[in-house]
Amino acid sequence: QKEVEQNSGPLSVPEGAIASLNCTYSDRGSQSFFWYRQYSGKSPELIMFIYSNGDKEDGRFTAQLNKASQYVSLLIRDSQPSDSATYLCAVKYGGANSKLTFGKGITLSVRP
Amino acid sequence: KAGVTQTPRYLIKTRGQQVTLSCSPISGHRSVSWYQQTPGQGLQFLFEYFSETQRNKGNFPGRFSGRQFSNSRSEMNVSTLELGDSALYLCASRQAFRGRSTYEQYFGPGTRLTVT
Repeated sequence: QKEVEQNSGPLSVPEGAIASLNCTYSDRGSQSFFWYRQYSGKSPELIMFIYSNGDKEDGRFTAQLNKASQYVSLLIRDSQPSDSATYLCAVKYGGANSKLTFGKGITLSVRP
Repeated sequence: KAGVTQTPRYLIKTRGQQVTLSCSPISGHRSVSWYQQTPGQGLQFLFEYFSETQRNKGNFPGRFSGRQFSNSRSEMNVSTLELGDSALYLCASRQAFRGRSTYEQYFGPGTRLTVT
C-alpha cells in the first residue's frame, strides 16, 4: 500500500514567519510531487509541483524534494493570514497512467 | 481559460437512489479524474479517464462508475446510494497526449452530495 504521510498538524505560525509543511512517502519509485491548498468549503488548488531533487521556488513558496530520504516539504515565507488553509501533499507513483495519492492534509493557521 | 466545471454543485438524495454527476475539463485537457473527499478518509481516488477509456481505478465498489465522451467531458454515476456516500465529489483534469503527458491536475469546485 503506497502511502503519503502528513503529520504534526495543525500548525500555527505568526504573521510574517516561515511555515514549514512536511510530507513523507513510502515508494522510492515516486516521480512527481504536488502541493495543493484547500480553503474551507472550497476545492483543492494546485500551488506547487516538483519533479527533481532540490528546491523549486515560486514567489513566497518553496518546494523541497529529497528522494533519498523520501520527503517533500513546502516552505511559505512571510506567512499571511490568507495562507490559512489545509495543505495537501500528493505523490504520483509509477508510469503515465498511475494515479495521484494524497496525504490527509495539514491545517495551517497564520495568526495576525 | 475557463477552469474545470462541475454540475450540479449541490445534491440531496435518499438511500437507494442513483445519481449522475457531470464534469467539463479545462479546454485542451483530455484526462479527467474523479475523487471522493470526506473528513475521515480525505481525498480518495475513484477513477481516471483518457480518450474515453478508463485508465486507472481506485478501491471503490462497482456502484461507482464513470464514462468519458469524445469531447472529454465526463460523468460519474453512483447507484443504490448509501449514507456513507455523502461526500464532496471532485473532478480534476490534466493535459495528456499520446507519448507525452503532464501530471499537474486542476480541480473543479466539486459536487456536494448528501444522502439521507
